[in-house]
Amino acid sequence: DVQMTQSPSSLSASIGDTVTITCQASQDISKFLNWYQQKPGRPPKVLISDVSNLPTGVPSRFSGSGSGTDFTLTIFNLQPEDVATYYCQQYDDLLALSFGGGTKVEIK
Amino acid sequence: EVQLVESGGGLIQPGGSLRLSCAASGFIFNMHWMHWVRQAPGKGLVWVARIDSLGRETTYADSVKGRFTISRDNARNTLFLQMNSLKDEDTAVYYCVKGVHWGQGALVTVSS
Repeated sequence: DVQMTQSPSSLSASIGDTVTITCQASQDISKFLNWYQQKPGRPPKVLISDVSNLPTGVPSRFSGSGSGTDFTLTIFNLQPEDVATYYCQQYDDLLALSFGGGTKVEIK
Repeated sequence: EVQLVESGGGLIQPGGSLRLSCAASGFIFNMHWMHWVRQAPGKGLVWVARIDSLGRETTYADSVKGRFTISRDNARNTLFLQMNSLKDEDTAVYYCVKGVHWGQGALVTVSS
């Protein structure tokens, strides 16, 4: 099974800051990585698919990069509505999806 | 528009059984693999089970293997999760997932 290691587990930043979350896979997953945003009481919402693709409606201040085993989610110009928990997910192994442990983003 | 609507959650005693359903619409159901993912209160996302498009092949997380069964009825565009021998640690919101699309979740609480 592919293990996903996400860091940090939480962070606090100011409005307007740039925030970076990293995710490392235990083996090469090529570009089969998604990022999700989850707010309390809601299901996860896809933020970025296939490492760097933003679905329609996702603000351009969100950006994804990486390949192989190392991936990054960057939030530019952090906004109050970005307070949420963020998860990476690999789907290289479709027999068993796996997720990072999550990063809780708060406003300082 | 892809829609996934789970039902069947509730409060159940340890050792009991429960069956979750997920009604799918907005896509050709019998062409897609489907997954169940769960989230315990205050915890992260954990993959539970997966089924191929025709319902012939399934895989499970070790924590549920032998107790849970994923199945589907392609004629009714519905995904199921039969949960037996439930334990306290199975308490979670269970999500039906297709690709990047998630249902709203069904809460299962295992408690005496």
